[in-house]
Amino acid sequence: GAGVSQSPRYKVAKRGQDVALRCDPISGHVSLFWYQQALGQGPEFLTYFQNEAQLDKSGLPSDRFFAERPEGSVSTLKIQRTQQEDSAVYLCASTTPRDRVYTGELFFGEGSRLTVL
Amino acid sequence: GENVEQHPSTLSVQEGDSAVIKCTYSDSASNYFPWYKQELGKRPQLIIDIRSNVGEKKDQRIAVTLNKTAKHFSLHITETQPEDSAVYFCAASRYGGATNKLIFGTGTLLAVQP
Repeated sequence: GAGVSQSPRYKVAKRGQDVALRCDPISGHVSLFWYQQALGQGPEFLTYFQNEAQLDKSGLPSDRFFAERPEGSVSTLKIQRTQQEDSAVYLCASTTPRDRVYTGELFFGEGSRLTVL
Repeated sequence: GENVEQHPSTLSVQEGDSAVIKCTYSDSASNYFPWYKQELGKRPQLIIDIRSNVGEKKDQRIAVTLNKTAKHFSLHITETQPEDSAVYFCAASRYGGATNKLIFGTGTLLAVQP
């Protein structure tokens, strides 16, 4: 596609509900990142995929957070038993087409805004 | 791990004035320093970046400087325009590392007054 697409754009969940956030990266991009952006803060790293392999999940805040990219393209971030502190914008970014050198630039989606009541 | 601090958190300037945003980083192995601009409700977008083998880089009205010894880098915007109003984030990473993950600063809200 032309850019990174995320859905849903807005999600309201009751505390304790499970949510799933989807990311469609730019076609052919090898690398995919998830970031969490709280209101008024910078994006905080959650996890990184290279193709289907999750190479770094050091930023996931708890075992309630789980991410996958089974076919090396679309990725899903799942949050179980949501808590109020999970309220944030979840940003997905992709980079590096196959057979190309990483340039440094991350291409972000517009994010999924999660509000937990 | 890497920690990036950014100042100021808010900056208001008159149109035509210059704006400077400063960041410090903690990991001496970091070697790639991009700046992202995020307009309200929009996605962050790269505006300029610098690697540790250079001290300064310019692109029209924006420039970035890097002091590796002091672990400081700064964004300079000259002749500011209302459309420069946005939140600016600095970031640092180990380019060529295992993940190339970016660690972001907390952001600077720049308001350019017409």
